[in-house]
Amino acid sequence: EPEVTQTPSHQVTQMGQEVILRCVPISNHLYFYWYRQILGQKVEFLVSFYNNEISEKSEIFDDQFSVERPDGSNFTLKIRSTKLEDSAMYFCASGRDSQETQYFGPGTRLLVL
Amino acid sequence: GIQVEQSPPDLILQEGANSTLRCNFSDSVNNLQWFHQNPWGQLINLFYIPSGTKQNRRLSATTVATERYSLLYISSSQTTDSGVYFCAVGDNRKLIWGLGTSLAVNP
Repeated sequence: EPEVTQTPSHQVTQMGQEVILRCVPISNHLYFYWYRQILGQKVEFLVSFYNNEISEKSEIFDDQFSVERPDGSNFTLKIRSTKLEDSAMYFCASGRDSQETQYFGPGTRLLVL
Repeated sequence: GIQVEQSPPDLILQEGANSTLRCNFSDSVNNLQWFHQNPWGQLINLFYIPSGTKQNRRLSATTVATERYSLLYISSSQTTDSGVYFCAVGDNRKLIWGLGTSLAVNP
């Protein structure tokens, strides 16, 4: 069964550094998402992406964040200058349609020191 | 925006017991999903259930969209059922999540 994959599984970085989190969505899906979960808290929506552009973003998704689909398979989340409070689990998800099931990857655990 | 409330926040069961988890939401939605977050942090899709009833082995879910709630039933619980259960509802092109129910199943 096709799965969403994410790399790396864990990343440790210094405050102020740039990080790129990578995702490979399910191949025939058209809608892509990033969510994050700070330890012990609920999952929060960051951004949705469709037809090579952002379709919706949350207040969390400020100018430090960007997303890109550089080729036909990868979907990336970049954080330009990480802050301590960016430490969280980041989940990528994809779906065939905006109103159907979203399938989640295993997550990238980011720790900013 | 849409509010999602889950209850109970915590639940402790003996192996073999049954339980019901509830998710209330504040507005009509086009998507509702139940997830199990395992101890490694992975989100496991349980059900996509914007309305109606579905069953998968020992789990079943019912969503009454007109009354804005969904229920997740776990029967004959096992220790591997432990973890956090999240309800997430669709608001346009994003999922809004509840705080989850933390379930511990003791042997």
